[in-house]
Amino acid sequence: GESVGLHLPTLSVQEGDNSIINCAYSNSASDYFIWYKQESGKGPQFIIDIRSNMDKRQGQRVTVLLNKTVKHLSLQIAATQPGDSAVYFCTTVAGGTSYGKLTFGQGTILTVHP
Amino acid sequence: NAGVMQNPRHLVRRRGQEARLRCSPMKGHSHVYWYRQLPEEGLKFMVYLQKENIIDESGMPKERFSAEFPKEGPSILRIQQVVRGDSAAYFCASSPATGGLFEQYFGPGTRLTVT
Repeated sequence: GESVGLHLPTLSVQEGDNSIINCAYSNSASDYFIWYKQESGKGPQFIIDIRSNMDKRQGQRVTVLLNKTVKHLSLQIAATQPGDSAVYFCTTVAGGTSYGKLTFGQGTILTVHP
Repeated sequence: NAGVMQNPRHLVRRRGQEARLRCSPMKGHSHVYWYRQLPEEGLKFMVYLQKENIIDESGMPKERFSAEFPKEGPSILRIQQVVRGDSAAYFCASSPATGGLFEQYFGPGTRLTVT
């Protein structure tokens, strides 16, 4: 069956450090990947996306890496700040009839200590 | 440009009552998605709608749950005869109308508590 999972459920870092959050997915038909951040009591907030024809994409302080061979996705956050503390979800979208249906992983709790 | 709006933000219902959750997509968006989130879990897809059409309802329970997105007005997720297990946060997301793969923008959610 389709599943999206994360290697580490929690991650604690010091302010200013770089953070890496990992994600494994199982559906090889996935062709679009999105990282979301969810703060307590709020809805998921888009961080960055990547399509399956790419292996790296950079945003402001964030980089997403995609390795389709091993079905692995990672989110790198540079110079992590206390405001980055949240739950991070990787999500996948498969094409065809599954279009529009995001599959969420369990989530990684990132805690940034000042 | 207002984001996705959901109301109410909090809803308390007794077992057996009906719950109606409303979602107004972002301006210019005509695709709406509903997700459910249990405590300390990821979001689970429920249903994907376009105006007046249900595109994918593979995540919807077969009974008691229904969703609509009329030509005018917000999308509605309706839960009849609620049970304690329906207590969760329900999130709505929207995306643009054009084809291809687009990010989904999420609303703040409705937290349903069944007593």
